[in-house]
Amino acid sequence: GAVVSQHPSWVICKSGTSVKIECRSLDFQATTMFWYRQFPKQSLMLMATSNEGSKATYEQGVEKDKFLINHASLTLSTLTVTSAHPEASSFYICSAISREMRTDTQYFGPGTRLTVL
Amino acid sequence: QQPVQSPQAVILREGEDAVINCSSSKALYSVHWYRQKHGEAPVFLMILLKGGEQKGHEKISASFNEKKQQSSLYLTASQLSYSGTYFCGTSPNTGNQFYFGTGTSLTVIP
Repeated sequence: GAVVSQHPSWVICKSGTSVKIECRSLDFQATTMFWYRQFPKQSLMLMATSNEGSKATYEQGVEKDKFLINHASLTLSTLTVTSAHPEASSFYICSAISREMRTDTQYFGPGTRLTVL
Repeated sequence: QQPVQSPQAVILREGEDAVINCSSSKALYSVHWYRQKHGEAPVFLMILLKGGEQKGHEKISASFNEKKQQSSLYLTASQLSYSGTYFCGTSPNTGNQFYFGTGTSLTVIP
């Protein structure tokens, strides 16, 4: 159990376009979902915390208007990179905490590699 | 907010032991340990909660000293499959923000 999927696995887009990444908890309801960004050979950096039905809480330095997060249901959160620039190229990973399991264990999606040309 | 890990990198021969440390400047509620292979998402290893937990699974164990705001991951009799980057993750409160450590690259060679 506790499987998290991400779609797409990778995406290549032109500068200025918008890209949506989906994060789904497949077999559990997620109270909270997190979005991370990871540059090569670096650690994962928390971008935002997303709770179902409320606005995401962004970490300092993350531009809210460039990285739109929507947590529409207990099983789906989306990250939209708007007017993407090459600097947004990165590995984006989501994770979710299960409401049923009552632990803080985060279950990670497989990640989405974004390349902006 | 980001916990600091040491060492940054370590190379071991199969069968050798290793210790990875994670230190935070903030009070902690929990510490998580993950291993990440290149190009993949992190894989959960274990979680330790405040109260001085120690935990282990097979040849990997960890301890959490909340007074010192530190945790250590112990790998004994390392196997080739242990290679990867190890991250600790810390949270000041339950269900709250979660911050990954700086990472430790571990390479096990035959």
